[in-house]
Amino acid sequence: KAGVTQTPRYLIKTRGQQVTLSCSPISGHRSVSWYQQTPGQGLQFLFEYFSETQRNKGNFPGRFSGRQFSNSRSEMNVSTLELGDSALYLCASSLGVGVAGTQETQYFGPGTRLLVL
Amino acid sequence: AQSVTQLDSHVSVSEGTPVLLRCNYSSSYSPSLFWYVQHPNKGLQLLLKYTSAATLVKGINGFEAEFKKSETSFHLTKPSAHMSDAAEYFCVVTSPATGKLIFGQGTTLQVKP
Repeated sequence: KAGVTQTPRYLIKTRGQQVTLSCSPISGHRSVSWYQQTPGQGLQFLFEYFSETQRNKGNFPGRFSGRQFSNSRSEMNVSTLELGDSALYLCASSLGVGVAGTQETQYFGPGTRLLVL
Repeated sequence: AQSVTQLDSHVSVSEGTPVLLRCNYSSSYSPSLFWYVQHPNKGLQLLLKYTSAATLVKGINGFEAEFKKSETSFHLTKPSAHMSDAAEYFCVVTSPATGKLIFGQGTTLQVKP
């Protein structure tokens, strides 16, 4: 079974631009979560989608948004890019919330490295 | 609220010696706990997970972790380090009903020949 794929793998943008990142989950997985990884802040949760609905959101400004399609693929958009948005953006997929409310294991993609100049 | 603290930012061992990476957690629920590893310029790979079954959890590549509720700890161990184990390791906690993973700050494992 193919793993989580993310495109593009590397991206260079300038301040003020916007960017869209894509994530294709493992086949059969309906939950997709996004994380930002920076040397200073570590790994931080952005948001989670399940069945096309945003279920949870982290503490990021409204410039960060996402969506999920009916085939569970997800996109993340960052508008009006700032230098501090330079980071590795990781996508993770899972089956979702399992029986008795337990959280199914999340499997990560290789990430998209975004550099904002 | 859930949180996790990795007690060492950097651990250095010699090849063939034991590895101990320490993690303490805080959770108001019965937690799910994970260890992930990240090799340079790669994504995160799941090493093992604890979900309230056995307290000693065996993972991939010879790693294991023991859940100790009384100490709120979930330390990662391996009897004998390999050069290929050099990477960043993350201890992670999640609440039962959300999709949010809460990561520790990471421990960089250096393995010396």
